[in-house]
Amino acid sequence: AQSVAQPEDQVNVAEGNPLTVKCTYSVSGNPYLFWYVQYPNRGLQFLLKYITGDNLVKGSYGFEAEFNKSQTSFHLKKPSALVSDSALYFCAVRDPTGAGSYQLTFGKGTKLSVIP
Amino acid sequence: NAGVTQTPKFRVLKTGQSMTLLCAQDMNHEYMYWYRQDPGMGLRLIHYSVGEGTTAKGEVPDGYNVSRLKKQNFLLGLESAAPSQTSVYFCASSWGRGPSSQPQHFGDGTRLSIL
Repeated sequence: AQSVAQPEDQVNVAEGNPLTVKCTYSVSGNPYLFWYVQYPNRGLQFLLKYITGDNLVKGSYGFEAEFNKSQTSFHLKKPSALVSDSALYFCAVRDPTGAGSYQLTFGKGTKLSVIP
Repeated sequence: NAGVTQTPKFRVLKTGQSMTLLCAQDMNHEYMYWYRQDPGMGLRLIHYSVGEGTTAKGEVPDGYNVSRLKKQNFLLGLESAAPSQTSVYFCASSWGRGPSSQPQHFGDGTRLSIL
């Protein structure tokens, strides 16, 4: 079975400071990993993905994430936070070889608040 | 460029009533999904479809039925609504399940309240 953990329900960061939103995962094979962002009353928007290759993945709006296989982590980062980054962030995982290979498993979400 | 469109956006039902949520995508995607989002629980997969005429159960299928009669549409039905089905429902679509076919594209959701 595959699972995702986002250990922080909420992250607060001052505008202009670097931000990190944490994600750890569990799959039996090599994972596909994703970050999505959700703004109020909207659907999820794709930010970035890791499929294979370079462990540092760059995505939309200046976000990046680092895949760490030994720590089974895929933390989302941004060098300088903007107030407009305030939203709900979801990490998701797929095991493309497992019995549930069609299924994307989401974490519970982390609310990011960027303080002006 | 509509992407994934969900209808309706809001609905209030009484216990025992039935309704159908409609999802339409204009990206010619093969795969479509229905999720529900509940506070503190992330998104959970209800049903999915890997092509026209096919459907399969996800993580939380009980109390729901689906149909995919046309490639661009994926319908989610509640035959006898229960208060536990109060949630925000999201439809998503993707080209397929391979690495080049990701990610999933989401609609803006249907907010459903069962009284």
